[in-house]
Amino acid sequence: EAQVTQNPRYLITVTGKKLTVTCSQNMNHEYMSWYRQDPGLGLRQIYYSMNVEVTDKGDVPEGYKVSRKEKRNFPLILESPSPNQTSLYFCASSLAFSSEKLFFGSGTQLSVL
Amino acid sequence: ILNVEQSPQSLHVQEGDSTNFTCSFPSSNFYALHWYRWETAKSPEALFVMTLNGDEKKKGRISATLNTKEGYSYLYIKGSQPEDSATYLCAFDAGNMLTFGGGTRLMVKP
Repeated sequence: EAQVTQNPRYLITVTGKKLTVTCSQNMNHEYMSWYRQDPGLGLRQIYYSMNVEVTDKGDVPEGYKVSRKEKRNFPLILESPSPNQTSLYFCASSLAFSSEKLFFGSGTQLSVL
Repeated sequence: ILNVEQSPQSLHVQEGDSTNFTCSFPSSNFYALHWYRWETAKSPEALFVMTLNGDEKKKGRISATLNTKEGYSYLYIKGSQPEDSATYLCAFDAGNMLTFGGGTRLMVKP
């Protein structure tokens, strides 16, 4: 089944404890991206990647890192999480970097205490 | 940060009503306009990706139009059903990044 697999679904952590949210797609998509959803603010792009080893900042990249060593995987890393990173996170992928529909993962609800 | 606005923010309609909402976006650097449907506790799912001025797309009872010169798109739902209750998101595609609007939350009462 074609899908974007994102883990974990829920995560509660404490300030400063490094964490990684994984994202994997099995559709051979070139484009992958991360978004966060906060009440009243809509989906905001954190980072995106147009292909392997090519990543770039979105609108809200501060406090996040990403890597794209393989085409299928695009993990989101929070080196030192803070409470303002408490949010709902979505990974998404598409066939190409423009004019192609996004396929979303199931989301990760992160709480940083 | 680009300004992509959706109106109204929320909408309550009765089953069987037809409804429409608006997405406004910048008229420059346009590559495409996306519409997504997002049900509670699920992930957003693509409805349409529209690229050409004057484009019209249809999927069942849902259709969308696009005006890139004036920077707006309309989403129409004909004969709303309770299962249409969701948040509808539009996203402006500038070629390498998508900027989402805040969404229109539709609630259809049986």
